Amino acid sequence: GNSVTQMEGPVTLSEEAFLTINCTYTATGYPSLFWYVQYPGEGLQLLLKATKADDKGSNKGFEATYRKETTSFHLEKGSVQVSDSAVYFCALSDYITDSWGKFQFGAGTQVVVTP
Amino acid sequence: NAGVTQTPKFQVLKTGQSMTLQCAQDMNHEYMSWYRQDPGMGLRLIHYSVGAGITDQGEVPNGYNVSRSTTEDFPLRLLSAAPSQTSVYFCASSLTGPNTEAFFGQGTRLTVV
Repeated sequence: GNSVTQMEGPVTLSEEAFLTINCTYTATGYPSLFWYVQYPGEGLQLLLKATKADDKGSNKGFEATYRKETTSFHLEKGSVQVSDSAVYFCALSDYITDSWGKFQFGAGTQVVVTP
Repeated sequence: NAGVTQTPKFQVLKTGQSMTLQCAQDMNHEYMSWYRQDPGMGLRLIHYSVGAGITDQGEVPNGYNVSRSTTEDFPLRLLSAAPSQTSVYFCASSLTGPNTEAFFGQGTRLTVV
């Protein structure tokens, strides 16, 4: 079946540091890939997405590129702020093998940014 | 701008009690789903629905029931609460079709003692 694997946290870094969160996936169809962010006490909200190979999703300074050859969708940000402290989830939706709208989530990576 | 609304936000139950977690969306989304979030395990799908009158089981359905009588509402019922059901529960909705994103509620933190 489909699955998403992302690096374990917590990831602790200083303000203005570079952030990378690794995400790899297994899918038999043609998945769309997503990064969701969960701020403390809140639900998940979409951060960015990419729908086909080589697409780059970007939002709020975060970027991720859909790499079909390495089945990866790593999240990056060049200079993090304290307000980026949150849990980040990598997810996929595969309309070939699953009902449209069904998502597979990674375990989540907690990011802590210190001043 | 209501989006997906979940109630209650917090709940404490005794083992064996039953309750219903409410979920409503005002975006006319066909697809709705319930997830539970546990530390180190990400989000796991409990039940989902692709439209009114249609529901199906997800990854961890045991101990939960759902129904979908309207497009807007998708309640989750705990039949006889167990400590293993202590978790944070999220309702989500989306359009059906490729490349659509899911919209999440704020979550319900449930503790079963």
